[in-house]
Amino acid sequence: DAGITQSPRYKITETGRQVTLMCHQTWSHSYMFWYRQDLGHGLRLIYYSAAADITDKGEVPDGYVVSRSKTENFPLTLESATRSQTSVYFCARRGSAGELFFGEGSRLTVL
Amino acid sequence: EDKVVQSPLSLVVHEGDTVTLNCSYEVTNFRSLLWYKQEKKAPTFLFMLTSSGIEKKSGRLSSILDKKELFSILNITATQTGDSAIYLCAVEWAGGTSYGKLTFGQGTILTVHP
Repeated sequence: DAGITQSPRYKITETGRQVTLMCHQTWSHSYMFWYRQDLGHGLRLIYYSAAADITDKGEVPDGYVVSRSKTENFPLTLESATRSQTSVYFCARRGSAGELFFGEGSRLTVL
Repeated sequence: EDKVVQSPLSLVVHEGDTVTLNCSYEVTNFRSLLWYKQEKKAPTFLFMLTSSGIEKKSGRLSSILDKKELFSILNITATQTGDSAIYLCAVEWAGGTSYGKLTFGQGTILTVHP
């Protein structure tokens, strides 16, 4: 059990709509991450958070917003979805030895 | 620019073959290198390497890091069809404002035929 729950698992939306992907960890580890995965690009970091109220940009942050008011939750919001944001999104938490544990992923389709 | 590059991007072998997957990196303030296996869903953790020359081993899988030449290899011996997956390499940053950040390579798609 990775201790990370993502929702929704699947989402279809339209261009211009706001979408929020939820991420919850059952542990209280500090570091949490959001990645997107697209064919040919591996996993690309969108945002990460070192602790509650501390967030930082990754490689591809444009068009995304995050918040971390509580240690266990790290939602990712697409303020105005675009087709290029169609992807699989993974949330992850850092384990005590430094490794990442991933959620099951959220598959987002923007029409 | 900091980057992590994996090779080959894809590999097709037959059961019983031995494969070597490569990961090279150019990352300032290196802290560790991690290997993951991804089948149909989320990546699962394989190894974390922090020191040069010390092999990590788990069954038929092994990995080693060379911090001088900035690369790591993942070996899989006596491959089985269940080894078919995407293998991902990631590098963790050590210092400054990027502390704790992990950057992934593109992944290597391994296909093992019976």
